[in-house]
Amino acid sequence: GAGVSQSPRYKVAKRGQDVALRCDPISGHVSLFWYQQALGQGPEFLTYFQNEAQLDKSGLPSDRFFAERPEGSVSTLKIQRTQQEDSAVYLCASSLEPATNEKLFFGSGTQLSVL
Amino acid sequence: SQQGEEDPQALSIQEGENATMNCSYKTSINNLQWYRQNSGRGLVHLILIRSNEREKHSGRLRVTLDTSKKSSSLLITASRAADTASYFCASNDYKLSFGAGTTVTVRA
Repeated sequence: GAGVSQSPRYKVAKRGQDVALRCDPISGHVSLFWYQQALGQGPEFLTYFQNEAQLDKSGLPSDRFFAERPEGSVSTLKIQRTQQEDSAVYLCASSLEPATNEKLFFGSGTQLSVL
Repeated sequence: SQQGEEDPQALSIQEGENATMNCSYKTSINNLQWYRQNSGRGLVHLILIRSNEREKHSGRLRVTLDTSKKSSSLLITASRAADTASYFCASNDYKLSFGAGTTVTVRA
């Protein structure tokens, strides 16, 4: 595709509900990142995939957060039993090369509001 | 944890003026990058400066890097209303670490 696509654009969840956020990276991009951006803050790293392998999940805040990229393209970030503190914008980014911080392309994000 | 810290937190300038913002970081870096984020949108990469470079230009953007002080600055010359956005510095390894950003408002 032309860019990184994320869906839904907005998600409102009741506390305790499970949510799934989708990321379609640029076709052929090896690296995929998820970031969490709280209001008024910069993005914070959550997890990194190289193709289908999740090589780094050190930023996931709790075991309620789970990410997958089963076929090395589309990725899903799942949050179980959502809490109010999970309210944030979730950004996905992809790059052509593995294990690089250069030439990252970001999606517009999913804004999650937990009530 | 955040690697970079931008200063000031917010900046308001008149169209045509220059905007300068600074970034300080904590650990040694291979490169430092600046990103722009318009309200409600994703981040857009602006410029990358490597640790062995001291200054870099791209259009109306000028970035400096002082590794001895662990700091960088971003200058936007002849600002336009479209430059209104939040600006972030980011560094570290493959998992970029961002600061909290500088919000720039350009008044027409």
